[in-house]
Amino acid sequence: QVQLQESGPGLVKPSETLSLTCTVSGVSINSHYWNWIRQPPGKGLEWIGNIYYSGGTKYNPSLKSRVTISLDTSKNQFSLKLSSVTAADTAVYYCGRGYSGFDPWGQGTLVTVSS
Amino acid sequence: QSALTQPPSASGSPGQSVTISCTGTSSDVGGSNFVSWYQQHPGKVPKVLIYEVTKRPSGVPDRFSGSKSGNTASLTVSGLQAEDEADYYCSSYAGTNNLVFGGGTKLTVL
Repeated sequence: QVQLQESGPGLVKPSETLSLTCTVSGVSINSHYWNWIRQPPGKGLEWIGNIYYSGGTKYNPSLKSRVTISLDTSKNQFSLKLSSVTAADTAVYYCGRGYSGFDPWGQGTLVTVSS
Repeated sequence: QSALTQPPSASGSPGQSVTISCTGTSSDVGGSNFVSWYQQHPGKVPKVLIYEVTKRPSGVPDRFSGSKSGNTASLTVSGLQAEDEADYYCSSYAGTNNLVFGGGTKLTVL
C-alpha cells in the first residue's frame, strides 16, 4: 500500500523559507511524478509543482520564483522549499503522487506564516 | 480567482443525478486530455474520482462519470447518496508546465 506523509514546521515567520518533506512508503520514489498541492483555510486547491523521478521539475508560474522541489532517493523522500513567505502562504500543504489524478495524497500539514 | 470555473454550489435529492461543470479555455480543458475530478469531505484529504477526462480509479463507484465537450468538462453523479455530500474540484493541465484547479463546487444532498 502506497502511503505519503508530510512533515515539517507548522509555524514559519514572514520572509523566511518554508521547508516540508514528503516521505513515501510502499513504492520506490524512482518512478512516477510527485506533487505538492496546498489549500488555504476555507479555500480551494492550488497546485504548487511536481518533480519526476528523473529529477525534472514543473512549477506553478505564479510561485515559480519562490519554489524548489527536490528528490532524496536514498531516503525515498521529496521536499518543498518556498522562500519569502507571507501570510498568504498559510495553508494545508499536501503531497501527492501522479501526473493526472493524484493518488494517493498525504494527510496534509498545516503551515501558518506568522511572527 | 481560479483558472477553471465551477459553480459554487449544486444540489439534488437522493437517487437523482447531478452534473457539475468545469469551464476553462482552449489552453487548458479544451486542449488537455488530463482533466481530473476530486471529492473532498470536510476536514478530509481530497480523493480522485476521475482522471484523464473519463477514467475511474479502481474502487470509485461507477455512479461517478466524467466527460468533456469543448472547453467544458463535466462530472456526473448518478443515484445520489447522502455520502456524496462534499466539495468537488476539477483540475486540468494548462500546457505542459502548469496544472490548474477549479474553485470547487459544494454538493448538497437534499
